[in-house]
Amino acid sequence: QKEVEQNSGPLSVPEGAIASLNCTYSDRGSQSFFWYRQYSGKSPELIMFIYSNGDKEDGRFTAQLNKASQYVSLLIRDSQPSDSATYLCAGGSGYSTLTFGKGTMLLVSP
Amino acid sequence: DVKVTQSSRYLVKRTGEKVFLECVQDMDHENMFWYRQDPGLGLRLIYFSYDVKMKEKGDIPEGYSVSREKKERFSLILESASTNQTSMYLCASSWVREGEQYFGPGTRLTVT
Repeated sequence: QKEVEQNSGPLSVPEGAIASLNCTYSDRGSQSFFWYRQYSGKSPELIMFIYSNGDKEDGRFTAQLNKASQYVSLLIRDSQPSDSATYLCAGGSGYSTLTFGKGTMLLVSP
Repeated sequence: DVKVTQSSRYLVKRTGEKVFLECVQDMDHENMFWYRQDPGLGLRLIYFSYDVKMKEKGDIPEGYSVSREKKERFSLILESASTNQTSMYLCASSWVREGEQYFGPGTRLTVT
């Protein structure tokens, strides 16, 4: 059974801080990883994807992948109250659909 | 931009009714998916389709069926709605099965 695990949170950070969201996965065959942001009552929105070990930066977001440790993370720099949402991690392998974690709720306080 | 639309944002149906949820994508994606999302349970895959007229069961197909007669359209059917099918239903599409998925706005279905 492929699993993607996330701490449900909430993770509370003050405005301007770095928020660190973490995800572990069980399927060593997973090749691609995605981070989605989901505001309350809305659908998930893709914000980043990463395929290779290391870091990938896009604006205030950095995705990190460590395949040896089966660990994916998302860093949000200069967190804003508008970043308050649930963040879903998803992993994919070449032979199956994406496996989603249950999400981590992030609360950024002004 | 990828656009995925769903036929209704909110829907209220009675127990035993047959319910149709429709999803349309405009990016010529091969793959389309239906999920339901419930608090504490996350996204659960109901069915997906990798080509016209092709479908595969997901994790929770019981009580549901699907139809894909055209590439851009994927329908979810609740044959006889029950109260435990009250949920948020999300449609998604992707170019490849294991690739990034783009979601529609969701349909919040209440079965009374």
